[in-house]
Amino acid sequence: KAGVTQTPRYLIKTRGQQVTLSCSPISGHRSVSWYQQTPGQGLQFLFEYFSETQRNKGNFPGRFSGRQFSNSRSEMNVSTLELGDSALYLCASSPGGQYNSPLHFGNGTRLTVT
Amino acid sequence: AQSVTQLDSHVSVSEGTPVLLRCNYSSSYSPSLFWYVQHPNKGLQLLLKYTSAATLVKGINGFEAEFKKSETSFHLTKPSAHMSDAAEYFCVVSDRVNQGGKLIFGQGTELSVKP
Repeated sequence: KAGVTQTPRYLIKTRGQQVTLSCSPISGHRSVSWYQQTPGQGLQFLFEYFSETQRNKGNFPGRFSGRQFSNSRSEMNVSTLELGDSALYLCASSPGGQYNSPLHFGNGTRLTVT
Repeated sequence: AQSVTQLDSHVSVSEGTPVLLRCNYSSSYSPSLFWYVQHPNKGLQLLLKYTSAATLVKGINGFEAEFKKSETSFHLTKPSAHMSDAAEYFCVVSDRVNQGGKLIFGQGTELSVKP
């Protein structure tokens, strides 16, 4: 079974631009979550989608948004990029997203904002 | 509110010696706890999980963790370190929200293994 696939692996953008990251979950998984990893703040929850609906959201500004498609694939978008958005963005999936279900993580997209 | 504290930011051991990575948690109800490992430039891999079935949890690659409610701890151990164990380890608690969950990560412990 294929794992969680994130594309692209690396991105370099300029301040003020926007970016879209893609995540394909494990087949059959309906919940997709996104996390931001930085050296200073560690791993922080961005949002979770389940059956095309955003079910939970972390404490990030509205510049961070996402969506989920009917095939469970998910995208996250960051508009008006800031230097502080430079991070590793990790996507994770689980079958139903229950609180006690382990998440399966992709290898991440490393975003650099210059 | 749920939280986890990893007591050491960096641990260094020699190959073949025991590993102990310490984690304390705070939870207002019976927690779901996990340990994840992250190798350089990789995503996170689940090592083990605790969901109240047994207090001693065995995971992959010889790791295990013991849930101690009285001490609010969930320390990760391995009897004998291997060079391939060098990585960053995260203690994680799951917060129940809106029929689902979100993971709350500790700050991580970097494990170095010396030959």
